[in-house]
Amino acid sequence: EAGVAQSPRYKIIEKRQSVAFWCNPISGHATLYWYQQILGQGPKLLIQFQNNGVVDDSQLPKDRFSAERLKGVDSTLKIQPAKLEDSAVYLCASSLVGGPSHGYTFGSGTRLTVV
Amino acid sequence: EDKVVQSPLSLVVHEGDTVTLNCSYEVTNFRSLLWYKQEKKAPTFLFMLTSSGIEKKSGRLSSILDKKELFSILNITATQTGDSAVYLCAVKVSGGATNKLIFGTGTLLAVQP
Repeated sequence: EAGVAQSPRYKIIEKRQSVAFWCNPISGHATLYWYQQILGQGPKLLIQFQNNGVVDDSQLPKDRFSAERLKGVDSTLKIQPAKLEDSAVYLCASSLVGGPSHGYTFGSGTRLTVV
Repeated sequence: EDKVVQSPLSLVVHEGDTVTLNCSYEVTNFRSLLWYKQEKKAPTFLFMLTSSGIEKKSGRLSSILDKKELFSILNITATQTGDSAVYLCAVKVSGGATNKLIFGTGTLLAVQP
């Protein structure tokens, strides 16, 4: 099966600019996750969708981050305006409802550098 | 607050050595514990553990969970340079209708020839 697709692979922006990331999960996976991984840290969950509904966005900085999942398939994560501390790898993952026995399938991520 | 702690933070060994990576956790609504290997960007799945005392094994890697003492270990025997990576421990917790993974900070393993 095709994996989780993310784009772009890399993005460099200046602080206060806007940026958007795109994720296409594995076909049939109802649950989609966005994680933020700052250098030297483990991934931190930003938002979780089940189909096109948000089920957990408790750690999403909602003053600057937003995410949507149209039609329960693709998802976009947006940052507006970006801050220096947003520099990180943004990982998208998907799973069947409840999670398969092997956990979640991650995309290759988008490395964001804010200068 | 749910917490997953890994140790050591980093480790340098020589090829052929055996290493043990540790993961302890304090969470509510524990479902399972997972180990991932992260070489570049995407973490790749290694093991999922749900029951205490049952060792999971894949080649030179093995892992076990202790749900009483709230920890897990990941063993790698006869290490190779290709084992160099960050090893992430994650705990799956349930909250209402959802499950989510809480990650530790990872252990950076460097295997020298």
